[in-house]
Amino acid sequence: DAGVTQSPTHLIKTRGQQVTLRCSPISGHKSVSWYQQVLGQGPQFIFQYYEKEERGRGNFPDRFSARQFPNYSSELNVNALLLGDSALYLCASSLTRTSYEQYFGPGTRLTVT
Amino acid sequence: AQSVTQPDIHITVSEGASLELRCNYSYGATPYLFWYVQSPGQGLQLLLKYFSGDTLVQGIKGFEAEFKRSQSSFNLRKPSVHWSDAAEYFCAVGPLRNGNKLVFGAGTILRVKS
Repeated sequence: DAGVTQSPTHLIKTRGQQVTLRCSPISGHKSVSWYQQVLGQGPQFIFQYYEKEERGRGNFPDRFSARQFPNYSSELNVNALLLGDSALYLCASSLTRTSYEQYFGPGTRLTVT
Repeated sequence: AQSVTQPDIHITVSEGASLELRCNYSYGATPYLFWYVQSPGQGLQLLLKYFSGDTLVQGIKGFEAEFKRSQSSFNLRKPSVHWSDAAEYFCAVGPLRNGNKLVFGAGTILRVKS
């Protein structure tokens, strides 16, 4: 079975631009979570979506938004990019909203210049 | 607020030597605890988890971890390290009602010398 997939692998954006990152969960998984991993730090929780609704949000500004589609795939959007948004963005999927078995994708490396 | 501390940023061990990576947590109740490993260019892979019961848990790749409530610790161990274990290791804590919302430590980079 395919694992969690994320696209693109890498991208470079300029300050002030907007970016959309995509995630496809493992087949049958209904929950998708997003994490930001800044270089040298551990991942930090951004959002959880389950059954197309936001179920949890970390301490991130409103420039960050996400959504989940009927097929349970998800997009993370970041507006008005700042240099500090440069990070590895990880997507994780799990069967349910409270599942502790999370499976992480390889991430999208975002560089903001 | 929940927090996880991994005191060692880098650790170097010789191949075949034993390994212990430290993790301390701060949480209001008994947390759910995890260890993940991340190889360069890869996502996170779950090594093991502790929810309740036996405080010594076994994981994949020969790793084990011991939960010590009195010390608020969940240290990761391996009796004999292989060169392929070189990676970054993250300890994480999860709340009781939402296993998806994990709080991670800053990670420990393991280097294995031959």
